[in-house]
Formats: sequence, C-alpha cells, structure tokens
Amino acid sequence: KAGVTQTPRYLIKTRGQQVTLSCSPISGHRSVSWYQQTPGQGLQFLFEYFSETQRNKGNFPGRFSGRQFSNSRSEMNVSTLELGDSALYLCASSQTGYTEAFFGQGTRLTVV
Amino acid sequence: KNEVEQSPQNLTAQEGEFITINCSYSVGISALHWLQQHPGGGIVSLFMLSSGKKKHGRLIATINIQEKHSSLHITASHPRDSAVYICAVYAGGTSYGKLTFGQGTILTVHP
Repeated sequence: KAGVTQTPRYLIKTRGQQVTLSCSPISGHRSVSWYQQTPGQGLQFLFEYFSETQRNKGNFPGRFSGRQFSNSRSEMNVSTLELGDSALYLCASSQTGYTEAFFGQGTRLTVV
Repeated sequence: KNEVEQSPQNLTAQEGEFITINCSYSVGISALHWLQQHPGGGIVSLFMLSSGKKKHGRLIATINIQEKHSSLHITASHPRDSAVYICAVYAGGTSYGKLTFGQGTILTVHP
C-alpha cells in the first residue's frame, strides 16, 4: 500500500511569489491535514480537508489556502511569500480525521 | 503553558538501555499519537492509543486518561533509535484532523 506522497520535496522561491504544494493521501483516506514545522514554532496545524470540504483551520493568515479534489488529493497554496514562510510543510492523511494519521516526507520550502 | 508537554527535551543513552519519554496534556483528548522524526524531516507514526497499552517490537506506549499522561518506552535501545520523538493529541469536539504537538524529545543513543 503506497504511503502519503508529497511533491515537490524541495522548493526555493523568492519573496512575493506564490507556491503550490501537493499531497496524495493513502488510498481510502478521505482526510488530509496540513502542518507547518519551523525550528521556532514547532509543528503547527494549518487546515484539514475531508471529502473536498475544509472542516478545520488553524491560525494562519489568508495567504495560506488549500483545496481537496474528488480523489482526496490535496493542494496547499501560499501567496505573496514572506521570508518567515520558510519551513517544512507536512501533510498527513487519515480515514476520518480522528483515526491514525500517516505523514508524508514533507516539502521543504525556502523563501529568499 | 503548552497544551502538550514532553519530558525530557533531550535524552542521551548508551546502547541497550531502557528509555522512557513522558507526555502530559491539559486538554480532553480522543486519542494520542507517538511519532518519530529522523533528520531529513519525514514523520512516522509509531502508535495511536486512546486507552491502556500498546506494544510493537521494542516499543511500548501507555496512556492514563484520568491522569492525562502517556509514556513511550524503548527497551534495549539501539543507535538507530536516535531521532526526535513527538507526542501529539487529537482534542475532542470539532477538532477534525488537528493534531496538537508536544515540543519533541531528542533522543541520542550511543554505541
């Protein structure tokens, strides 16, 4: 059974640009959650999607958005990138959003 | 004060030692995860538990819901166990898909 796949693994972007990250969940998992990990703040919840609907959202500015497709694949978009957006972005999939979460390898975003 | 607190923050052990990492939380939860993160970023789920005890190989996780406390034990530690161990909880209610994380415990096992 394939695991959670995130693409790309690494990204370098310039301030002001926008970026889209992709997450393919484990087959059969309908919940996809996104997290940001930084050395200073640790792991923080961005948002969760279930059956194409955002059910939960963390305390991030509106520049951070996401969506989920009918096949449960999810994308996360960050517009008008800031230096502070440099982080490891992780997605996790689970069957319901309350069952065991399985994480992808992450996308390391560097904003210069 | 963080909702999820881990101790110790750093742990150094010799190969073969028995290791315990503790996690305390202050919110009501539906389940607790123990996660492992190696350098390079990927996170692996070790356990999800909501009561009692689970065992997988040399790893044992316990949870006491009344005391809001969980422990992760590693028996016969090995250098390949060196990683960051993270406790994370699903709070109840409408916290769909949201894990709240402890700050992590950096474990180094020397040969």
